[in-house]
Amino acid sequence: GENVEQHPSTLSVQEGDSAVIKCTYSDSASNYFPWYKQELGKRPQLIIDIRSNVGEKKDQRIAVTLNKTAKHFSLHITETQPEDSAVYFCAARPQGAQKLVFGQGTRLTINP
Amino acid sequence: EAGVAQSPRYKIIEKRQSVAFWCNPISGHATLYWYQQILGQGPKLLIQFQNNGVVDDSQLPKDRFSAERLKGVDSTLKIQPAKLEDSAVYLCASSPRTDGETQYFGPGTRLLVL
Repeated sequence: GENVEQHPSTLSVQEGDSAVIKCTYSDSASNYFPWYKQELGKRPQLIIDIRSNVGEKKDQRIAVTLNKTAKHFSLHITETQPEDSAVYFCAARPQGAQKLVFGQGTRLTINP
Repeated sequence: EAGVAQSPRYKIIEKRQSVAFWCNPISGHATLYWYQQILGQGPKLLIQFQNNGVVDDSQLPKDRFSAERLKGVDSTLKIQPAKLEDSAVYLCASSPRTDGETQYFGPGTRLLVL
């Protein structure tokens, strides 16, 4: 079955700098890749997603890139702010499946 | 739009006891998911319902876990008997889609088994 690996497990950046979180997946036929943000004690919330027929997608300060050949996708946050501090989860949907397989999460800390 | 509701928010039980969690999805959402999130890990799917039918329960430990979604709306997840390793946050999510996309999560139930 699908396996999603996420790196790094923790990331600390200075406010205003960029942050990048990377995920690799094992099933080359996976076709949908969302990113969720989970603030401390709160529910995971979808922040951006990308499908396999697209290489990059942007939404204000966040972007996601997909490299199907290498089977990895990344979350990019620019001009980081304190409110970006949270745990971020990537996920992948195997082709033909109706479910998501999640990565282990990255705890992002923005230092003022 | 009201979000996904879950109760209780916290539960402490002793091993071998039973426990039940309740989820009320967003109105009109056909698909409902139960996830187990162990501390420091990503959510792991336990069971997926479409309306009141089970789509995927391949990772549900069926010897101790059970779930139902009567009438295709609310759902309950039960553990009987609980083990120490069941300590986790149990998240419910719902979606208006049937393909795994656009999942909205509830606040979760934090279970501690002593």
